[in-house]
Amino acid sequence: EPEVTQTPSHQVTQMGQEVILRCVPISNHLYFYWYRQILGQKVEFLVSFYNNEISEKSEIFDDQFSVERPDGSNFTLKIRSTKLEDSAMYFCASTPGPAANSPLHFGNGTRLTVT
Amino acid sequence: GNSVTQMEGPVTLSEEAFLTINCTYTATGYPSLFWYVQYPGEGLQLLLKATKADDKGSNKGFEATYRKETTSFHLEKGSVQVSDSAVYFCALGGSQGNLIFGKGTKLSVKP
Repeated sequence: EPEVTQTPSHQVTQMGQEVILRCVPISNHLYFYWYRQILGQKVEFLVSFYNNEISEKSEIFDDQFSVERPDGSNFTLKIRSTKLEDSAMYFCASTPGPAANSPLHFGNGTRLTVT
Repeated sequence: GNSVTQMEGPVTLSEEAFLTINCTYTATGYPSLFWYVQYPGEGLQLLLKATKADDKGSNKGFEATYRKETTSFHLEKGSVQVSDSAVYFCALGGSQGNLIFGKGTKLSVKP
């Protein structure tokens, strides 16, 4: 069964550094998402992406965050200047249709640790 | 705004015990409701869903009924197994197509 893949599985970075988290969504899916889960907290929506543009973003997704689909397969999340509070598990997801009606297919996540 | 509230965990049960994980929601309109499960070291997987009032979602012995009158979507299973140990997330479909998740409830099933 096709699956969403994320790399790396664990990323350690110093405060103020840029990080890029990578995701390969399922190939025939059209909607792409980033969520994050701070340890012990709820899974929080960051951003959704459709038709090569952001369709919705949460207030967490400020100017330090950006997303890109640089080619036909990758979907990346960039954090420009990381802060300690960015430490979390970041999940990429994709769906064939809008998430309200189509099940999200999640990757296994990237654990980001900012020191 | 829309929100989801789940019972706090962790929940520890013996094998073959009955499971209930409570979930209530606040929403405008009638969103779809979901339960996702996260096994150790893995991403979230859809467990079941219901798209309208009185719908019952079911999968792998788990069930949840969309109750409009009580704004609830409680997850139940009649007889849990050790392999059901995981974190369970209740979620509702947001107005813009995203999902809003609860905090998750960790379930541990002992043999």
